[in-house]
Amino acid sequence: QLQLQESGPGLVKPSETLSLTCTVSGGSISSSSYYWGWIRQPPGKGLEWIGSIYYSGSTYYNPSLKSRVTISVDTSKNQFSLKLSSVTAADTAVYYCARRNPSSSWYNWGQGTLVTVSS
Amino acid sequence: DIQMTQSPSSLSASVGDRVTITCRASQGIRNDLGWYQQKPGKAPKRLIYAASSLQSGVPSRFSGSGSGTEFTLTISSLQPEDFATYYCLQHNSYPLTFGQGTRLEIK
Repeated sequence: QLQLQESGPGLVKPSETLSLTCTVSGGSISSSSYYWGWIRQPPGKGLEWIGSIYYSGSTYYNPSLKSRVTISVDTSKNQFSLKLSSVTAADTAVYYCARRNPSSSWYNWGQGTLVTVSS
Repeated sequence: DIQMTQSPSSLSASVGDRVTITCRASQGIRNDLGWYQQKPGKAPKRLIYAASSLQSGVPSRFSGSGSGTEFTLTISSLQPEDFATYYCLQHNSYPLTFGQGTRLEIK
C-alpha cells in the first residue's frame, strides 16, 4: 500500500523560502512511470495544483507560481521536495503531495500539512 | 489555461435525494477528468477517473458522465456520509486545474 507523508516547518516568515518534503513508502519513487506532485489549499478555499515531477525528472509548474517553485526528487531517500520562494501570507495553505499515472488524475495523496506564513 | 467551471457552488439536499454536480471545461479535454470528495481536515479522495470510471471501493451510487467539455457527477441516493465538498480536476493539459468546488450540505 503506497503511502505519502509531507513534512516540513509549519511556520515560515514572509519573504523566506517554504520547503516541504514528501516521503514515499510502500513503493519506489523511481521504479515506475508516475507523476509526483504538490497541490495546495488555502484555509476555506479550493484546490490549486502547484507542480509535478515525472519519474524521469521532467518538471511541470503552474505558471502562476513558476518563478518561485522548484520540485525535485531524491531517489536515494525515496522522497520528493517542494521549494517555494519569497512567500507571502497568500501562500498560507495546507500543502498536499500526491501521485498519479500519466493517463489519470491524482490518486494517492498525503494527509496534508498546514504551512502558515507569518512573522 | 483550461478553466473548469463547476456548478452549483453549494447545494442543500436530503438523505435519499439524487443530486447532480456539473463541470464545464473552457475547451475540450476528452475524458481527462476526475471527481473528488473532500471532508473537513482530510485529503481529497478520488471517486471517479476518466470521467466515468468508478474508483475501486467507491459505492455504486456515485457515477460520472461526459466527454469533451461537459461533465457530471451524480449521486443516486444521498447517504449521510456523502455530505462533503466535491471537486473536478482536468488533467488534459497543463496547468492542471480544479473546479471551484461544490459544498453539499444537509437540508
